[in-house]
This record gives sequence, structure tokens and C-alpha cells, in this order.
Amino acid sequence: KAGVTQTPRYLIKTRGQQVTLSCSPISGHRSVSWYQQTPGQGLQFLFEYFSETQRNKGNFPGRFSGRQFSNSRSEMNVSTLELGDSALYLCASSPRGKSTYEQYFGPGTRLTVT
Amino acid sequence: QQQVKQSPQSLIVQKGGISIINCAYENTAFDYFPWYQQFPGKGPALLIAIRPDVSEKKEGRFTISFNKSAKQFSLHIMDSQPGDSATYFCAANDSGGGADGLTFGKGTHLIIQP
Repeated sequence: KAGVTQTPRYLIKTRGQQVTLSCSPISGHRSVSWYQQTPGQGLQFLFEYFSETQRNKGNFPGRFSGRQFSNSRSEMNVSTLELGDSALYLCASSPRGKSTYEQYFGPGTRLTVT
Repeated sequence: QQQVKQSPQSLIVQKGGISIINCAYENTAFDYFPWYQQFPGKGPALLIAIRPDVSEKKEGRFTISFNKSAKQFSLHIMDSQPGDSATYFCAANDSGGGADGLTFGKGTHLIIQP
């Protein structure tokens, strides 16, 4: 089976712009979670989608949003980018109804905000 | 509030030795404890996971030891090899609440010297 894929792999944006990141989960996986990874804060949970519905949300401002499509592919959007949004954004898919088991991560999208 | 504390931050082990990484958690509702391995430029890869109904789980050279009363768990890498050099993250989750995705430790940078 192909793994989790994320596009694009690298992105450079300017402060104030918005960005959309894409994630395709492993075939058959219906749960998709997003995480932000930075050297200072480590890995932090953003949100989780299952059957096109956001089930859980981490402690991030409303500028961070996401959605999931009927084929389980997911996108996350960050509006009004800030310098502190520079990070590796990771998508993880899970085969179970609950995302809490066996999450498999993609390679991430490296976002740089200048 | 850091709910999962991981130590040490960095670790150097000789080839063939045993690498030990420790984690402690605070939330007694946590009931799923995975370990992830991350190489530079890659997403975290699930190594091994444990539920609190067992005290130890072994997969190849990797073993998780779990102490529910002390709220601690650890990863042991036996016969450590240079290819094991990576950053290791412990994580925890409350699968019943499913609230906040995985809560990660800050990571341990492991170097295996040949």
C-alpha cells in the first residue's frame, strides 16, 4: 500500500498570505489528523477529521482550519500567515474509527513564512 | 502544561549497546502509548505501541516497558545499530475521550557510535 502523501513538500510564503496544504491518506483509512512540528514546541495536534467531520481540535487559533473530502483526502488552510507559523506540517492517517490508534504519518510539508 | 515528559534530550550509545529512553505522563486517562522514530527530512514512523493492560511489549530489538502505578513508560533498543540513529518520540492518548489527538514528548536525539 502506498503511504500517506502530502503536497507540496516545501512552501515559502509571505506574512499575511494564506496557504493550503493537501494530504492523501493510506487507502482505506478514514481518519486524518494534522500536526504542527517546530523545534521549540515539538509536535502539536491541530485537528482530526473523520467522515468529512472535524472530530477534535487542538489549541490553535481560528486561522488554522481544515476539511476532509468524501474520498478521505484532507486539506488544511492557514490564513493571515505569521512568522511563527513556519513549521513542518504533518498529516497522519488511521485505519480505525478513532484516530487514536496506529497513526501513520506522511513526510510533511515544510512551510517557511518570510 | 506538558503532559508527557521525555528524557534524555540526547543520548549517545556505542554500537551493540542498549539505548533507553524514558517518558512520564500526568493524565491518568491516557491508555495508548506509541513510540515514533523520525529521521531528518521524514515524518515520524510508528515503531511500537502499548496499552496499559500489559507491562511489556517486545518487537524485534525494540521493547516498551510500562509502569502504570508510576505513570512511566520506556523504550529499550537492544543491540543498537548506527542505523538506529534518529529522533525518538513517545506519545500518549486517551482513546476513550479521543479528545486531543496524540500528546507527544519533546523527543530524544539518539546517536549510535560505530
